[in-house]
Amino acid sequence: RKEVEQDPGPFNVPEGATVAFNCTYSNSASQSFFWYRQDCRKEPKLLMSVYSSGNEDGRFTAQLNRASQYISLLIRDSKLSDSATYLCVVIYNSGGYQKVTFGIGTKLQVIP
Amino acid sequence: SQTIHQWPATLVQPVGSPLSLECTVEGTSNPNLYWYRQAAGRGLQLLFYSVGIGQISSEVPQNLSASRPQDRQFILSSKKLLLSDSGFYLCAWSTGHQPQHFGDGTRLSIL
Repeated sequence: RKEVEQDPGPFNVPEGATVAFNCTYSNSASQSFFWYRQDCRKEPKLLMSVYSSGNEDGRFTAQLNRASQYISLLIRDSKLSDSATYLCVVIYNSGGYQKVTFGIGTKLQVIP
Repeated sequence: SQTIHQWPATLVQPVGSPLSLECTVEGTSNPNLYWYRQAAGRGLQLLFYSVGIGQISSEVPQNLSASRPQDRQFILSSKKLLLSDSGFYLCAWSTGHQPQHFGDGTRLSIL
């Protein structure tokens, strides 16, 4: 089983739609979770952190479910500019150092 | 504020030639530094990470190497490039449990 799994998509949604992505992780000792956005041929950029209590930033909501070992990203009122690949990141300590694992990314295409 | 610089932005190299990609971070001390590779249509693969000067850990066996001669400098090298080394190379930094921040990346094409 992969350490971090994401559906690569693509998710094709119309403008204004609500879309949700999930990302599952295998290590129950994982400590930190993030969502990144990566535009085509560009570097990943931090979108938001993920907490058990939830994290909302405008149209974006991130949630952590420790019991089921997954994190989610919800995008409301999708815009054309939201088209990108969304990467989940899971961090845990292993042997005294941080192990950072990226998911493969979920591609979102918002259609006019 | 912290910034990360990575260069060159693009590079075209023949098979068998050497490689040197450089990454520097400003505005922070003793950062964790990372080199990733992203092949076309694939996810990020961690190549090397460093928690301090001269401390390099390799995640996957390969013909690449990394060095950290200074606290905020991270270099990715190869003596002889292979076709399979083509890809998008990304340098990143972080501190503690904070998220990583990436450089602009280097797009490497091997001919």
